[in-house]
Amino acid sequence: SQQGEEDPQALSIQEGENATMNCSYKTSINNLQWYRQNSGRGLVHLILIRSNEREKHSGRLRVTLDTSKKSSSLLITASRAADTASYFCAPSGGGADGLTFGKGTHLIIQP
Amino acid sequence: GAVVSQHPSRVICKSGTSVKIECRSLDFQATTMFWYRQFPKQSLMLMATSNEGSKATYEQGVEKDKFLINHASLTLSTLTVTSAHPEDSSFYICSAAAGKGNTEAFFGQGTRLTVV
Repeated sequence: SQQGEEDPQALSIQEGENATMNCSYKTSINNLQWYRQNSGRGLVHLILIRSNEREKHSGRLRVTLDTSKKSSSLLITASRAADTASYFCAPSGGGADGLTFGKGTHLIIQP
Repeated sequence: GAVVSQHPSRVICKSGTSVKIECRSLDFQATTMFWYRQFPKQSLMLMATSNEGSKATYEQGVEKDKFLINHASLTLSTLTVTSAHPEDSSFYICSAAAGKGNTEAFFGQGTRLTVV
């Protein structure tokens, strides 16, 4: 399994603004997933983007994938206080290995 | 999405005792289950991978005799922390995948273990 590295490590924005976080990885992938973790809670699956996809939307979330740069971005539009959480990307080769997580991006939405 | 239930959500135990954590997939059959550990403000670290009916595969540095994993059915995996030590205090999270491709992993809510 390979590990994604999220950037920035911390992000603080005002409610209503858009939040963008990035993920870089090192080897080829089958898919890449984004997860959210609220403090002291389990992870919640947000979105999965496959290697042959370039962009995917889900509600206020927009994920892009650039396999040539081995990077992905997660955009949260019109942020809300409830979006305050840590966000993790998990690149996967599609095999039976467990996902490996980086340190995540800690997002704080200020009212 | 699919539901994975982890129990208990919090447990406090005395040093030297054993604690069992359950991970159940409620509405799908989990061919593969994964166990993770997370220290405060740290990333999740994969501990082991378990496939139904076979022995778990442990990541390097994880003691298999200390962290016993049983995946007896397609809907249940258990992690038993044996001879618990305060250093074992951590947040443990399981995830389950329906297929070998691990295309989407569903996570439990986690278990906060405190060893006193």
